[in-house]
Amino acid sequence: SAVISQKPSRDICQRGTSLTIQCQVDSQVTMMFWYRQQPGQSLTLIATANQGSEATYESGFVIDKFPISRPNLTFSTLTVSNMSPEDSSIYLCSVGGSGTGLTDTQYFGPGTRLTVL
Amino acid sequence: GENVEQHPSTLSVQEGDSAVIKCTYSDSASNYFPWYKQELGKRPQLIIDIRSNVGEKKDQRIAVTLNKTAKHFSLHITETQPEDSAVYFCAASPTARNTGGFKTIFGAGTRLFVKA
Repeated sequence: SAVISQKPSRDICQRGTSLTIQCQVDSQVTMMFWYRQQPGQSLTLIATANQGSEATYESGFVIDKFPISRPNLTFSTLTVSNMSPEDSSIYLCSVGGSGTGLTDTQYFGPGTRLTVL
Repeated sequence: GENVEQHPSTLSVQEGDSAVIKCTYSDSASNYFPWYKQELGKRPQLIIDIRSNVGEKKDQRIAVTLNKTAKHFSLHITETQPEDSAVYFCAASPTARNTGGFKTIFGAGTRLFVKA
């Protein structure tokens, strides 16, 4: 499976500011996703990061709040904009599909623990 | 869209006993069903998966069954050990080959406690 890293691993931010989370994969992957996991909760898909085009957002998530970039097949960023305490959560990058093929299995990065004061 | 329900939310077993977690899904287009284990403070890790063309898959102490007609699938852990204690998530998605891309929907999770 791919090796996935995320930066930062954790951060404490003031409300009204923005934080950009980076996700790096050691091999090319077809699909990259961003999830949010609030304490004790399940994984909620924020968006699918599409290489070279705009991300596809799930219901309840908008580009102005969570802009996403995906400049190539190994890297993506998620920005949490104009943060409020309700944005405190773990943000997880996930990847699927290796090389030129399309496979189903998704693997997760280590997550970014965000606390907004 | 897809909806995945998972039961129970909490499960406590004695070491050596079996544990069963059940999930149902709503979208008949789903044909890939992974299970993830998440230990405290760690990322979700894939432990087993099953595709719709098989009814059962086993890997050592872990097995998964799928009833596509009834749209439910289950995780079975035998001879449980304290290190099996974690949160387990079921999930469902259409396969990438069918859609040109895929989206995995997760269940709410089951917190498993294995008492020594």
